[in-house]
Amino acid sequence: AQSVTQPDIHITVSEGASLELRCNYSYGATPYLFWYVQSPGQGLQLLLKYFSGDTLVQGIKGFEAEFKRSQSSFNLRKPSVHWSDAAEYFCAVGARYSGAGSYQLTFGKGTKLSVIP
Amino acid sequence: GAVVSQHPSRVICKSGTSVKIECRSLDFQATTMFWYRQFPKKSLMLMATSNEGSKATYEQGVEKDKFLINHASLTLSTLTVTSAHPEDSSFYICSARIDSSSVEQYFGPGTRLTVT
Repeated sequence: AQSVTQPDIHITVSEGASLELRCNYSYGATPYLFWYVQSPGQGLQLLLKYFSGDTLVQGIKGFEAEFKRSQSSFNLRKPSVHWSDAAEYFCAVGARYSGAGSYQLTFGKGTKLSVIP
Repeated sequence: GAVVSQHPSRVICKSGTSVKIECRSLDFQATTMFWYRQFPKKSLMLMATSNEGSKATYEQGVEKDKFLINHASLTLSTLTVTSAHPEDSSFYICSARIDSSSVEQYFGPGTRLTVT
C-alpha cells in the first residue's frame, strides 16, 4: 500500500528566508504527487502537482517542487517566504486503490509552517 | 473552474441528533465524491467514496450506519451523521473527481461539526 511521510511536524522560518518542506512516498509504480496548503479552518488548496515529464514543477504562490525518483521524494521549496505562507502543508500521493481500481489520495500528516516577521 | 462547495461551513448540534452536510460540485459533474475527516492537528482520513447512483464504499473502521452517504446526482453528495456524539466533533471535508480515470480531486472548504 502507498504511504506518505512528512518528517517535519513543525517548521519555523523568518520572513524572506528560503523554505524546503520534505515529503517521502512509498508506492510501487509511478506516483502522482501533490502538495496542498490549508489555512486554519479552511479546506485544501492545490499548490502544485506532478504527473509526468519535467521533474521540477512550478506551482502557485511562488512554490516549486522537485520529484526525485531515486530518493522517493517530492520536496516543496520556496526561495523567499512571506508571512502569509504560514499554514499547514500536506503532501499526497495518488494511487490506484487496488489493482485496476480507481485512484485515491493518501496524505502525509502535514507540516505546520510558522513565519517569524 | 472545478469549484466544490460545502454547506454548512459550521454546525453545532446536540448529542443524539442527526446532522446533514452537503457537498456540491458547482461547475462540473462529479462521478465520484470523497468524504474525509480531519482531527485536530492531524491529516485527512478518507471515510468513504461515493459514486453517483450507487452505494458508498466505506473505509475500514468507518461505521456506515452512523455516517450515511448519499450521492443522488452528479453534483451533490450528502453526509449525514446520525445520533451524533461529542466524539464525532471534527472537520469534515469533501472532494470531487470529474471522471473515474482521473486522479485529481477538487476539495471543498470543509465543515466544522461540534456536538454538544
